[in-house]
Parts: sequence; C-alpha cells; structure tokens
Amino acid sequence: ILNVEQSPQSLHVQEGDSTNFTCSFPSSNFYALHWYRWETAKSPEALFVMTLNGDEKKKGRISATLNTKEGYSYLYIKGSQPEDSATYLCAFLVPRGGGNKLTFGTGTQLKVEL
Amino acid sequence: DSGVTQTPKHLITATGQRVTLRCSPRSGDLSVYWYQQSLDQGLQFLIHYYNGEERAKGNILERFSAQQFPDLHSELNLSSLELGDSALYFCASSVSTGPIQYFGAGTRLSVL
Repeated sequence: ILNVEQSPQSLHVQEGDSTNFTCSFPSSNFYALHWYRWETAKSPEALFVMTLNGDEKKKGRISATLNTKEGYSYLYIKGSQPEDSATYLCAFLVPRGGGNKLTFGTGTQLKVEL
Repeated sequence: DSGVTQTPKHLITATGQRVTLRCSPRSGDLSVYWYQQSLDQGLQFLIHYYNGEERAKGNILERFSAQQFPDLHSELNLSSLELGDSALYFCASSVSTGPIQYFGAGTRLSVL
C-alpha cells in the first residue's frame, strides 16, 4: 500500500503570516509529485507538477520544493491571504501499465483569518 | 472553470439502484480519470482511460464500471448501490498520460 502523508492536518494562520506544509511519500521509484489546491465547493486545481530532485517551483506567493531521496515535498505560502484558505493536496504519481495512478494525501486544510 | 464538465451535479437514489455519471473532458484531452471522495477519506483513484482504452485501475469495485467513448466523453456506471457508495465522484482529464490533471466540479451521489 502506497502511503502519502500530509502534515499538519489543519492550520489556522493570521493574514500576512507565512506558512508551510509537508508531504511525505515513498522515496523509491519516484516519478512525479503533484500539488493541488482545493477550495470548498470547487474542484481541485493543479498548482505544481514536480519531477526532479531539488526541484523548486513558484507561482506568485506559493512555492514548493522536492526531495526525492528522502521522500518529502514542502509547500510554502508567503504572506497568507484569506483567499488562500483551502485544502492543499499532494499526490504521488505511479505509472501503471501505460496509464497513471495518482495517490492523494488527505490534505492540509488552511484557514487564513483576518 | 477547468473545462471538464460533469453531469449531473447531484444525484439521489436508493440502495440497489444503478446510476451513470458522465464526464466530458477538456477539448483536446485524451485521458480521463475517475476519483471517489468519501467522508473522511482522501481522493481515491478509480480508473484511467486514454483515447478509449482502459490504462490503469485503482481500487474500483466490481459493481462499478467505466468506459470512454469515441468522442472521448466518459461514463462511470455504479450498480447495486450501497449506502457506502455515497460520495463525491470526480472526473479529471489531461492531454496525454503524464501531466497536470484538470478536475471537473464533481457529482455528489447520495444513496438513501
């Protein structure tokens, strides 16, 4: 069974705070790691696809790093805003028989308060 | 708007019944994926189709089946429904088999 774990489960921060969350995944047979942002009552939206050890990706105030050797990825949000409130999911991609399977973590629920 | 369309948005049915969920991928996307989100569980991968062919299978129950049609839309059929099948079912699509997946808004199934 593939385990993708995210921590913390939930997080409350104040507007302007910077924050980060962790995604842990198997360090062997790495192919790709996805990060998604999922706002309540909407559909998950892709943030990053990370494939190389040492990868660092950035989108506005959100960035992510990847360490495939030790099996973790960090997602950082700088200067959190209320609109950043969402559940952040990571997903480990496993190629399978010509197709792909994404195994999702249970997510980190972020609430940014004024 | 991701460009992935799922219908219906909500479905209420009774145990033992059969339902069909429909997904239209983004224009040009050949891959369609189905996921289930149950209470207290993360998104669970069900199945992946690419250009009409089944490519990967997750923990999909035998009571569930899917297909992708020549026009690339996909249907997920759920039969002999049980209370535990109540969940949010998402469809996602991607250009081929590797990159970012774009998710639809989901179909919320309630089995009473």
